[in-house]
Amino acid sequence: SQQGEEDPQALSIQEGENATMNCSYKTSINNLQWYRQNSGRGLVHLILIRSNEREKHSGRLRVTLDTSKKSSSLLITASRAADTASYFCARSYIPTFGRGTSLIVHP
Amino acid sequence: DVKVTQSSRYLVKRTGEKVFLECVQDMDHENMFWYRQDPGLGLRLIYFSYDVKMKEKGDIPEGYSVSREKKERFSLILESASTNQTSMYLCASSSVGGNTGELFFGEGSRLTVL
Repeated sequence: SQQGEEDPQALSIQEGENATMNCSYKTSINNLQWYRQNSGRGLVHLILIRSNEREKHSGRLRVTLDTSKKSSSLLITASRAADTASYFCARSYIPTFGRGTSLIVHP
Repeated sequence: DVKVTQSSRYLVKRTGEKVFLECVQDMDHENMFWYRQDPGLGLRLIYFSYDVKMKEKGDIPEGYSVSREKKERFSLILESASTNQTSMYLCASSSVGGNTGELFFGEGSRLTVL
């Protein structure tokens, strides 16, 4: 069962624009994590948000969490071509992933 | 620099061969995981382990087994490879301590079964 489901599946934007991707999950969580994957590589951890937090920032990343709706969003502000990658959400401890959002940022 | 190392980046095997995918981590992590990643299906959990000699089935364990004889090493075994096991395999580890469960991934092993 895939715990996290990201939406949209694909997102194409111009450099400088903001990118927003969403994640829905099925069961209660302690933490929710976001990961990034460059093409053909392993995933890299971006940011964690705990169940008692509603928003968290890290550089150009902003994550929100709505536990009542079992959903989270990742916002990348002022996107760059180097942000082109796939993005995944997952709960902690026995992490399961969705299909990810494929983000393309055009220079 | 912390590291999860997968022994082979690319492998080509024949149907029916026994395949070993090796994963080693140098962070003294308790938890280790094997995923496969296929286009349109995302990452799916095959097996995971919380401790030496301990294993738990994930979502798609059929056709796979695992071995964890040492804390740092977690092996994925395909007893008799089939073409539908052609995929990208990703190993990851995490620590019980720190209360985050952050996963550290290897670079992946792309397996082609002919």
